[in-house]
Amino acid sequence: QKEVEQDPGPLSVPEGAIVSLNCTYSNSAFQYFMWYRQYSRKGPELLMYTYSSGNKEDGRFTAQVDKSSKYISLFIRDSQPSDSATYLCAMRRVAAGNKLTFGGGTRVLVKP
Amino acid sequence: NAGVTQTPKFRVLKTGQSMTLLCAQDMNHEYMYWYRQDPGMGLRLIHYSVGEGTTAKGEVPDGYNVSRLKKQNFLLGLESAAPSQTSVYFCASSSRVGLTYEQYFGPGTRLTVT
Repeated sequence: QKEVEQDPGPLSVPEGAIVSLNCTYSNSAFQYFMWYRQYSRKGPELLMYTYSSGNKEDGRFTAQVDKSSKYISLFIRDSQPSDSATYLCAMRRVAAGNKLTFGGGTRVLVKP
Repeated sequence: NAGVTQTPKFRVLKTGQSMTLLCAQDMNHEYMYWYRQDPGMGLRLIHYSVGEGTTAKGEVPDGYNVSRLKKQNFLLGLESAAPSQTSVYFCASSSRVGLTYEQYFGPGTRLTVT
């Protein structure tokens, strides 16, 4: 079983809809949670970063962490065709220093 | 700033051939990483480095070697390529300053081993 599970999709939504993405994980030692966005044939780029539990909002993006359920979410409001990409969750343990553990990624398609 | 660059962008190898992938970063980052990305598998860490002259194994190191002779460069070598090494390879770098250890990725190298 993978440490971090993520539905591969694709998740297809109409423009303007809310996109809901999530990851589950098994290791309770994860403390730092990130979402990366990866456009086709490009490298991933950091979208959101959250420490421990709680919510974080940045423009149209909201990241949530529920450590009791070992579950993290990313919501994209008012989705745009330019949001079409693969979204990867990533996590880090304090003791692991700089190393990240990634989920498999969810492909999102926003249709005009 | 170019950020993180990777050379080459594409490569086709025959089984048993060797090659070196070059990663360069101009952000003066201490940490550098090599990942491979396969469908549905996300990014898996091959090797990483926490500073010039140091390297360490990641999650899937077998069949690969690395060197970091200069702070800005991180080389990934395949001594005897196998079809199982067909993948997209990403290099990344991060600073040791701050809590996020945000990793900046290069554009990737698409490698096919026949």
